[in-house]
Amino acid sequence: EAGVAQSPRYKIIEKRQSVAFWCNPISGHATLYWYQQILGQGPKLLIQFQNNGVVDDSQLPKDRFSAERLKGVDSTLKIQPAKLEDSAVYLCASSSAKASGRARGEQFFGPGTRLTVL
Amino acid sequence: AQRVTQPEKLLSVFKGAPVELKCNYSYSGSPELFWYVQYSRQRLQLLLRHISRESIKGFTADLNKGETSFHLKKPFAQEEDSAMYYCALANAGGTSYGKLTFGQGTILTVHP
Repeated sequence: EAGVAQSPRYKIIEKRQSVAFWCNPISGHATLYWYQQILGQGPKLLIQFQNNGVVDDSQLPKDRFSAERLKGVDSTLKIQPAKLEDSAVYLCASSSAKASGRARGEQFFGPGTRLTVL
Repeated sequence: AQRVTQPEKLLSVFKGAPVELKCNYSYSGSPELFWYVQYSRQRLQLLLRHISRESIKGFTADLNKGETSFHLKKPFAQEEDSAMYYCALANAGGTSYGKLTFGQGTILTVHP
């Protein structure tokens, strides 16, 4: 099966500019996650979708970050305006709500988008 | 609040030596624990999870609820085990089931 796709792979912007990232999950996966991974740290969940509804966005800086998953498939994450501390790798992951046994809850990750804010 | 701690950022061993990557957690409920791995130029991927109680690529991990630990072990390390390893904890239920909290990661280097 095709894996999680993300674009762009790299993005360089200046502070106060806006940027958007796109994610296409594995076909049929109802749950989609966006993580932020700052250099030297583990991934941190920003937002979790179940189909097109938000399940958890408690760690999303809502004054500048937004995310949507309008048709329950693709998702976009936007930052406006960007700050220097937003420089990170943004990971998208998806999981199947129907999986069982060892596969239950397993998350499949995309390659990430590396954002540099100057 | 849930937390995952990996005390070692770097771990170096020689091929054939035993290796143990430490992971401690804090969680108020009944946790699900995972080890994820990222090899060079590859995506983050699941290595193993505690409920499966299986050995993957020679690695095992036992959940010790008394010590709140989930250490990853392999008796004989191989060069291809060199990678970044993340311990992660998942919400076992509720509306945000599956949400992962990651540790900071441990870079394992296996020398020939």
